[in-house]
Amino acid sequence: GAVVSQHPSWVICKSGTSVKIECRSLDFQATTMFWYRQFPKQSLMLMATSNEGSKATYEQGVEKDKFLINHASLTLSTLTVTSAHPEDSSFYICSALSDSRSGNTIYFGEGSWLTVV
Amino acid sequence: GEDVEQSLFLSVREGDSSVINCTYTDSSSTYLYWYKQEPGAGLQLLTYIFSNMDMKQDQRLTVLLNKKDKHLSLRIADTQTGDSAIYFCAETGIGGKLIFGQGTELSVKP
Repeated sequence: GAVVSQHPSWVICKSGTSVKIECRSLDFQATTMFWYRQFPKQSLMLMATSNEGSKATYEQGVEKDKFLINHASLTLSTLTVTSAHPEDSSFYICSALSDSRSGNTIYFGEGSWLTVV
Repeated sequence: GEDVEQSLFLSVREGDSSVINCTYTDSSSTYLYWYKQEPGAGLQLLTYIFSNMDMKQDQRLTVLLNKKDKHLSLRIADTQTGDSAIYFCAETGIGGKLIFGQGTELSVKP
């Protein structure tokens, strides 16, 4: 079945540095990918919708200059957390929309734990 | 607006059936999903149901959809300790984005 791969699974970075998280659709093309953030024991919050070849659409309250999203190809979207701070520590999950004859299905990556120290 | 609600906790004994309930608000959702999240892991798609269906069965999983009441449920038959996890229901919003419920933590006691 369709698989979405996210890398890295775990990352620790120093405050003030930037970190990039990759989301790849392994056996299907995804014109649309989504980035979510999950705080401990809470639900997922949609951060932005990433469209291949165009600018991402950010949800209200999400700083686009801080969370840079690039969807340069049909199988890869990246999220860069710029000038990271401890409050950015969270679980980030991407998903990719797969169009098929049976309809649209959304597949999730394994998630990336970001710890900013 | 779009909103999905679930009860937060459910505790069952091994071998019993579990029923996790969810209500949603967007009647135009075309698909409704159930995801499972184990501790420290990402989301695993369990099953989904198209909005013109009222039931879908997949091995131990049964999904019931009451579109009139905007109520979705997930029944897990013969619940095992390995089923202990957080279960999220989600509806499709505008543009394909998913709107998630808060998640139901299922605890299975031996």
